[in-house]
Amino acid sequence: DIQVTQSPSSLSASVGDRVTITCRASRSISTFLNWYQQKPGKAPKFLIYAASSLQSGVPSRFSGSGSGTDFTLTISGLQPEDFATYYCQQSYSTPPTFGQGTQVEIK
Amino acid sequence: EVHLVESGGGLVKPGGSLRLSCAASGFMFSDYSMNWVRQAPGKGLEWVSSISSSSSYIYYADSMKGRFTISRDNAKKSLFLQMNSLRAEDTAVYYCARDPTPYGGGYFDYWGQGTLVTVSS
Repeated sequence: DIQVTQSPSSLSASVGDRVTITCRASRSISTFLNWYQQKPGKAPKFLIYAASSLQSGVPSRFSGSGSGTDFTLTISGLQPEDFATYYCQQSYSTPPTFGQGTQVEIK
Repeated sequence: EVHLVESGGGLVKPGGSLRLSCAASGFMFSDYSMNWVRQAPGKGLEWVSSISSSSSYIYYADSMKGRFTISRDNAKKSLFLQMNSLRAEDTAVYYCARDPTPYGGGYFDYWGQGTLVTVSS
């Protein structure tokens, strides 16, 4: 199975900050990397697929980049509604696997 | 609007069985692969199983093989997960999730609200 490791596991940030979350795969997955946002008590919400393609309706302050083994999710200008936990997930091979999550908290 | 509604969760004793259902609406269910993803209390996301649009391709996580069975009824726009020989470590919220990839086990663009399964004596 391909392991996916996120960092950091948590971070504190202020409204307006630029936030970057990284995700590293245990072997090359091309651009088969996806990102989700989850708020407490809610289902995950799909944000980005194929490393950098924004899902319809997702604000443009969210962006993704990377290929191979290293990927990033960037939130440019953090908004109050962005405080949540973010997960990356590889879809290169079965089983699809998730990172352990990054909790973005209010500073 | 895409809508997925899970049901069938509840409290079950270790070794028991449970059947989860997911009712889909707002899209052509028969065109999409579907998945079950679970989340143990306070933990991260874990993929459970996937099924392609015509049920030709079915995959399971290793820890669920032989115990869980995924199925679908395209005429009724429904997804199912039969869970047998349940263990305490199967306690989780179970989500059904739509998958735009052809074989399943891809990515998950819409999720239901989840149904809680608690395995405890």
